[in-house]
Amino acid sequence: QSALTQPASVSGSPGQSITISCTGTSGNIGNYRLVSWYQQHPGKAPKLIIYEVTERPSGVSDRFSGSKSGNTASLTISGLQTGDEAAYYCCSYGGRNTRVFGGGTKLTVL
Amino acid sequence: QVQMMESGGGVVQSGGSLKLSCVASGFIFSVSGIHWVRQSPGKGLEWLSFIRHDGDDGYAESVNGRCTVSRDDSKSTVFLEIHSLRPEDTAVYFCARDGKSSSLDYWGQGTLVIVSS
Repeated sequence: QSALTQPASVSGSPGQSITISCTGTSGNIGNYRLVSWYQQHPGKAPKLIIYEVTERPSGVSDRFSGSKSGNTASLTISGLQTGDEAAYYCCSYGGRNTRVFGGGTKLTVL
Repeated sequence: QVQMMESGGGVVQSGGSLKLSCVASGFIFSVSGIHWVRQSPGKGLEWLSFIRHDGDDGYAESVNGRCTVSRDDSKSTVFLEIHSLRPEDTAVYFCARDGKSSSLDYWGQGTLVIVSS
């Protein structure tokens, strides 16, 4: 149950697009389309922004999109806004009632 | 609306035990699974445990054997009991509802546990 691997930080300017990768194994990401992404602002609870690799919950901006290839999932944020500055976490089903999170990526909007 | 609320955190001595509660409302609790996730100060999210609607459960290897999750559907409440606490268990503990496609769709605000040595 090792954590999924994410870059520690990414940055971009307002209006630009960024992509955050999340690398797992054949035991989690590679074997299931059960990848979700969460946004967390400092001092707040995480918020679900992507589920089942590409799906957005009601109310989440279409500037957020997800994808997966092999053992790696990705989150893309287009048209960066200052309010997007937060930590982002991926999560995958790990089999037998388990989940595993990535280490988190801090997004800075310059 | 869906609400999740954790309680039971506080300061506990190393080696001690704690029982956290998560009260849910706004949805049919008896058919829903509930997760526990923690976040150490300045660190990332760590998935800990899950209990399905039927009581089947799962644990992270890091806490397996030290944690027990249970539920009381009559009170829409899930519990997480942690034994043999260590300073590295100091964290904010969140509960979250199991949503579509194994996501965690609604979260509480968390309860802080501090383990003193």
